[in-house]
Amino acid sequence: QKEVEQNSGPLSVPEGAIASLNCTYSDRGSQSFFWYRQYSGKSPELIMSIYSNGDKEDGRFTAQLNKASQYVSLLIRDSQPSDSATYLCAVKAGTASKLTFGTGTRLQVTL
Amino acid sequence: EPEVTQTPSHQVTQMGQEVILRCVPISNHLYFYWYRQILGQKVEFLVSFYNNEISEKSEIFDDQFSVERPDGSNFTLKIRSTKLEDSAMYFCASSEDPGRTYEQYFGPGTRLTVT
Repeated sequence: QKEVEQNSGPLSVPEGAIASLNCTYSDRGSQSFFWYRQYSGKSPELIMSIYSNGDKEDGRFTAQLNKASQYVSLLIRDSQPSDSATYLCAVKAGTASKLTFGTGTRLQVTL
Repeated sequence: EPEVTQTPSHQVTQMGQEVILRCVPISNHLYFYWYRQILGQKVEFLVSFYNNEISEKSEIFDDQFSVERPDGSNFTLKIRSTKLEDSAMYFCASSEDPGRTYEQYFGPGTRLTVT
């Protein structure tokens, strides 16, 4: 069973701080990695995709990938109360079309 | 900005009844997917559809499920004889030609309640 693991949280950070969300995956054949944000009762919203080892930055978000350690992370700089949501890590294996999701990490940004 | 749309937003049905969930994927996308999320649980893959046929399906997608692209815009999920455990949010997603990007964009979902 190919697994994607995330700490369920909640992860609580003060407004303006950096939030660090982590994800590990078991399938070494995984090629593509995604972070989605999901507000309560809503659908997953794509934030970032990353395909190569290293960092990828988009605005306040930075995704980091380390395939050797089977680890992907998301950093959110200058966290805002509107960032409070569940962040889902999703992984796509090389030849598969499907995404395998983790259970998500709930982030709370406090005033 | 183009988006995936789904109808209805909420469907209530009795056990044993058939339901059809509808989706309009983003217009230039070629790959279509159905996922579901039982309350409090992770998002689970059901099926992917490409070039008018099923590309991949999960163990959940058994004989009671079927998908169809009845015309150039709609993509449907049919559940033939609903069970209580089918109660969940059902999300449709779409992506461009996988040779270009693997990013999947999700619709707002249909909440299915089986009583």
